[in-house]
Amino acid sequence: ETGVTQTPRHLVMGMTNKKSLKCEQHLGHNAMYWYKQSAKKPLELMFVYNFKEQTENNSVPSRFSPECPNSSHLFLHLHTLQPEDSALYLCASSLNLALQGEQFFGPGTRLTVL
Amino acid sequence: QKEVEQDPGPLSVPEGAIVSLNCTYSNSAFQYFMWYRQYSRKGPELLMYTYSSGNKEDGRFTAQVDKSSKYISLFIRDSQPSDSATYLCAMTRVAAGNKLTFGGGTRVLVKP
Repeated sequence: ETGVTQTPRHLVMGMTNKKSLKCEQHLGHNAMYWYKQSAKKPLELMFVYNFKEQTENNSVPSRFSPECPNSSHLFLHLHTLQPEDSALYLCASSLNLALQGEQFFGPGTRLTVL
Repeated sequence: QKEVEQDPGPLSVPEGAIVSLNCTYSNSAFQYFMWYRQYSRKGPELLMYTYSSGNKEDGRFTAQVDKSSKYISLFIRDSQPSDSATYLCAMTRVAAGNKLTFGGGTRVLVKP
């Protein structure tokens, strides 16, 4: 595997379910990001991790819970979601948080909340 | 008002035409500007990166930044069907580091 991978690619869940999204990067990067991409809206940064430490929580509701056990893996735990949470969830990584660091994106998980 | 405005399109052009894309922004502190390309069912990939005002060329792609007008552009020359994608502009300021502010994206269709 190369680059940034995300599983699952598609997920359908009910509002009472608990599920997790997984992201893995094979680039040797130290910073990882979760973004939300909704139809007709710009990408929204949700969380940022640098060397496993959370450095940014962009006022995300607590029903989204991130976890970064090491610099290569990032999870997004989901529980009691709402239909408006349906979106494409993208993971990205960069070497570090430096201003000009290119972010490499995974293919995303398409989430549908019923 | 959104911080970054981008026409959603779709922008349909014949093969070989020049594709012209643009974004306007409201925060004069933005200094670093990027263009990402996103194919269907894929994540965005970085195309061009420019700092402050001026032009930057890379093959068929030219990025322009006009900070006085808070306006950035991306031109694609000799467009190909493989250029059909959504193009996202993104920008950041020194204090924000690598936290990017994105436009909503413009969908481009290049017809053979």
